[in-house]
Amino acid sequence: NAGVTQTPKFQVLKTGQSMTLQCAQDMNHNSMYWYRQDPGMGLRLIYYSASEGTTDKGEVPNGYNVSRLNKREFSLRLESAAPSQTSVYFCASKILTGGGTEAFFGQGTRLTVV
Amino acid sequence: DAKTTQPNSMESNEEEPVHLPCNHSTISGTDYIHWYRQLPSQGPEYVIHGLTSNVNNRMASLAIAEDRKSSTLILHRATLRDAAVYYCIRKDNYGQNFVFGPGTRLSVLP
Repeated sequence: NAGVTQTPKFQVLKTGQSMTLQCAQDMNHNSMYWYRQDPGMGLRLIYYSASEGTTDKGEVPNGYNVSRLNKREFSLRLESAAPSQTSVYFCASKILTGGGTEAFFGQGTRLTVV
Repeated sequence: DAKTTQPNSMESNEEEPVHLPCNHSTISGTDYIHWYRQLPSQGPEYVIHGLTSNVNNRMASLAIAEDRKSSTLILHRATLRDAAVYYCIRKDNYGQNFVFGPGTRLSVLP
């Protein structure tokens, strides 16, 4: 059981380049999330998808777009990367959005923008 | 706004119990208390969650105060592998976000 899988694990981009971070879960979960974690900080929510076909902004959505491709996959796109987007990105999933169920996280994508 | 308060760091000796405190004095009646931990260079990992009653699972125990304004994560016998940042999080049934604060960095001494 793979859980939540993120690709790639590492990426270096030049300022202005674009890229898409991929996330897939095999647990038949309805809700999926993208977080970023800056050094020494907690995680901050970028975007989430409560269910297939819906997406909403989180705390720090500027500079990002998302696509909920199907129930399994939720991608995060940086259209024009900036050094301020250097961070570790985590994808997560939950079976439901409520407070009574746990979230499962991927291993992260470490992104450096130079 | 993390809405919870935790000590920045704690130390424990291997094979001894560890009590990690969390203050959530503004908690509402529908907020769950979740604990996650993050080992170095890994994603957060679910530990335990509860609403009102104390909870036990294979990883830990969660003791929730009667007024629900604080809780304590209990690791019964700390191992070196338990060295991590532990996050205490309030989660309601309506909002989408887990708000992660800085957490408590637990060091386990051999």
